Amino acid sequence: EPEVTQTPSHQVTQMGQEVILRCVPISNHLYFYWYRQILGQKVEFLVSFYNNEISEKSEIFDDQFSVERPDGSNFTLKIRSTKLEDSAMYFCASSSSSGGALFFGEGSRLTVL
Amino acid sequence: KQEVTQIPAALSVPEGENLVLNCSFTDSAIYNLQWFRQDPGKGLTSLLLIQSSQREQTSGRLNASLDKSSGRSTLYIAASQPGDSATYLCAVRAGGSQGNLIFGKGTKLSVKP
Repeated sequence: EPEVTQTPSHQVTQMGQEVILRCVPISNHLYFYWYRQILGQKVEFLVSFYNNEISEKSEIFDDQFSVERPDGSNFTLKIRSTKLEDSAMYFCASSSSSGGALFFGEGSRLTVL
Repeated sequence: KQEVTQIPAALSVPEGENLVLNCSFTDSAIYNLQWFRQDPGKGLTSLLLIQSSQREQTSGRLNASLDKSSGRSTLYIAASQPGDSATYLCAVRAGGSQGNLIFGKGTKLSVKP
């Protein structure tokens, strides 16, 4: 069964460092998303991406964050200068159609020290 | 602002019981609603998607209902099994087909053998 894959599964970084989280969405999907979940809290929307541009972003997704689809398969989330409060599980998701079901990856746990 | 609430926060039942998980949302103008399962430290597995025009969806032992006007959805699990133990998340898509998902905090289900 097709699935969304994410790497790394866990990354530990120092405050102020840049981090890139990688995702391979399901191959025929066109809509891509990043969400995050701080330990013990709700899953929160960060950004949606379609047709090589951002469709929508939340207020969490400030200038420190960026997304890119560098080739036909990868979708990346970059955090330029990590803060302690960026520590969370980051989930990538994809959907085949606008308004369709979202399918999530296993997540990348980011720990900022 | 759309808020999603799930009650109870935790539920423990003996194996074989039928059970209902509840989800409520404050703004009835949703596009669809999706139920997920999350195992500890893992990603979100999509269970059911209900469009705003639908009243219910079924998949195996799972049945999800939607009453948009009252801002409620339920997830019914028949003949529960220990393998059903997980956190169940409800998420509504607001703002049309390209809106983002807004999640509840989840109900942590434990099914005892």
